[in-house]
Amino acid sequence: QKEVEQDPGPLSVPEGAIVSLNCTYSNSAFQYFMWYRQYSRKGPELLMYTYSSGNKEDGRFTAQVDKSSKYISLFIRDSQPSDSATYLCAMRYGGFKTIFGAGTRLFVKA
Amino acid sequence: DAGVIQSPRHEVTEMGQEVTLRCKPISGHDYLFWYRQTMMRGLELLIYFNNNVPIDDSGMPEDRFSAKMPNASFSTLKIQPSEPRDSAVYFCASSEGLAGADTQYFGPGTRLTVL
Repeated sequence: QKEVEQDPGPLSVPEGAIVSLNCTYSNSAFQYFMWYRQYSRKGPELLMYTYSSGNKEDGRFTAQVDKSSKYISLFIRDSQPSDSATYLCAMRYGGFKTIFGAGTRLFVKA
Repeated sequence: DAGVIQSPRHEVTEMGQEVTLRCKPISGHDYLFWYRQTMMRGLELLIYFNNNVPIDDSGMPEDRFSAKMPNASFSTLKIQPSEPRDSAVYFCASSEGLAGADTQYFGPGTRLTVL
C-alpha cells in the first residue's frame, strides 16, 4: 500500500463547477499537508499549505484535512479553464522528506 | 531570483549512453531534491542533499544513477549507462529547510528520452 493514494483521473468538469480533489494516506505521523499545481510541461508549484487538521481558504480554493479519517481535500469554486492542470497532494512530518500523491488531472471545459 | 534552473530542457539519447542532468538551486536554499516523474509511477524522490551532503538516496533506482553536489549552487544527476526505462521527466527542486512551512520550488524539468 502506498503511503499516499490519489485518483489520477482525469476529471473533466464544465466551467463554473465546484471541483473536489482528494487524497488518503496511511501514515498518522503526517502533520503538514500541501497541494501542488502542475501545468503541462512545467514543474509543480505550491498552491496551498495546511498544518494539522482543519480548513484553509484562499480565494476560490479551500483545503481540508481530516486526520481522524486520514483524508485531505481540495475544493475549487467557480472553476475556470485556467485551472486545468494536474493537482498533486503532498504531505510530511517535520524534518522529513515530502511524499507526493500521483496527481489528479483536471480539465475545465469552457 | 530566477528560480531553480535546469539544463538541458530536453535530452534524447541512445541506450547505453551517459546522460548528465544539471541543476542550479535558488540561492540561499539549503536543500536540493532530485525527482523523477512518469505517468506510471508519478513523482518519485530520487535523492536529496542538505548543505551539499547527500542525506537520503534510497530512491535512486540502481547503481547506474549517481548524483553530486560539489557546491551550493550546482548539482548533477548522472545516468550511466542509460536505458529506455529511464525515459521520464526529471525535476530538481530546492527549499530553505524541511520545516513545516518550507516550500519546495521546482525547476522546469528535463524531459529525457532514451531510445
